[in-house]
Amino acid sequence: DVKVTQSSRYLVKRTGEKVFLECVQDMDHENMFWYRQDPGLGLRLIYFSYDVKMKEKGDIPEGYSVSREKKERFSLILESASTNQTSMYLCAARDSNQPQHFGDGTRLSIL
Amino acid sequence: QQQVKQSPQSLIVQKGGISIINCAYENTAFDYFPWYQQFPGKGPALLIAIRPDVSEKKEGRFTISFNKSAKQFSLHIMDSQPGDSATYFCAASRGAGTYKYIFGTGTRLKVLA
Repeated sequence: DVKVTQSSRYLVKRTGEKVFLECVQDMDHENMFWYRQDPGLGLRLIYFSYDVKMKEKGDIPEGYSVSREKKERFSLILESASTNQTSMYLCAARDSNQPQHFGDGTRLSIL
Repeated sequence: QQQVKQSPQSLIVQKGGISIINCAYENTAFDYFPWYQQFPGKGPALLIAIRPDVSEKKEGRFTISFNKSAKQFSLHIMDSQPGDSATYFCAASRGAGTYKYIFGTGTRLKVLA
């Protein structure tokens, strides 16, 4: 099974800061995803990438951007963090025709 | 049409009982329905999945029942154990290989010892 590693389990940042969330997968999978998880709302897709330097917007991309310079690494960027971006962020990876595998999440607090 | 409605939001079951979580979808193009299990502090992990060409799939104590005409599917956990206490998410997609899963809002299950 693919191992998806998110670099930080907990992160506290201030309003207006630029925030980077990092995700690395170990199986050379083409597809990677960023979700946010909020109580009562489930998992909502922010962005996904189907190849190096390729990205597509998900359902809630506003306020976020992503970067995929290498196949194994997918970064989520909060350009100017706001309190409503306090959430659990989950990264996932998937090979073609296989289900998504998730990392353990980064709990981000914006003060 | 893109929603997946999941119920209940929370569920308390006695040890040894049956836990049932239901999901309903609208988009008839969906053809892959996975269930994920998430323990506190962990990411969701794939538990079991079904395609609409079968009405039921069983793996150990976990069974998915699928009703294509009603556009509903459900997870049954037989002989529920305290170790099953977790949040469960259903999802739907157009094929396992598609980019996008539509997730339900989750069910928090607590199994009492």
